[in-house]
Amino acid sequence: AQTVTQSQPEMSVQEAETVTLSCTYDTSESDYYLFWYKQPPSRQMILVIRQEAYKQQNATENRFSVNFQKAAKSFSLKISDSQLGDAAMYFCALGGGAQKLVFGQGTRLTINP
Amino acid sequence: DTGVSQNPRHKITKRGQNVTFRCDPISEHNRLYWYRQTLGQGPEFLTYFQNEAQLEKSRLLSDRFSAERPKGSFSTLEIQRTEQGDSAMYLCASSSGRFNSPLHFGNGTRLTVT
Repeated sequence: AQTVTQSQPEMSVQEAETVTLSCTYDTSESDYYLFWYKQPPSRQMILVIRQEAYKQQNATENRFSVNFQKAAKSFSLKISDSQLGDAAMYFCALGGGAQKLVFGQGTRLTINP
Repeated sequence: DTGVSQNPRHKITKRGQNVTFRCDPISEHNRLYWYRQTLGQGPEFLTYFQNEAQLEKSRLLSDRFSAERPKGSFSTLEIQRTEQGDSAMYLCASSSGRFNSPLHFGNGTRLTVT
């Protein structure tokens, strides 16, 4: 079975600062991939960033980057230069052969102006 | 392409009634997923389709739940004899089916059972 754990129910950061959201996972599959999704108060889930397990290089998308530690089964999200629009629930998700994503419990991120 | 569309946005029903939700995926996507999300939790997988074939159902999908995708385009999720525990957000997502392609989500249907 695949599991995803987000141990931080809530995080807050000052605007323009950097914040890191944690995620650990477990899977028996050798080929898998990981996502971070953002869910603003409007409730639509939006893809933030993706990482294939076979790639050693950490993915980066503008102000968003990941720290993928395959041996430790860790996949954290770093948000640089935090903006008010980054406030949302963030979900870590794990996918494999069936492309069925398993989600973590989420981290609510608050941006303080 | 307007993305994944779900209707209705909100549904309030009395316990014991049947409800049906609709999802229209992104047109070129052959995979369609249903998830359930309760307040403060992550989405939980319910079922998914490859074209019109329902390939997997979660143990969360009791006999009162049925999903269809008759022509491999839109999908419906029906809940019979609703219970208060069915109150949740029901999310639909679609994808191209290629390995590692992301799921694109709709806005969801919020169900409240009174």
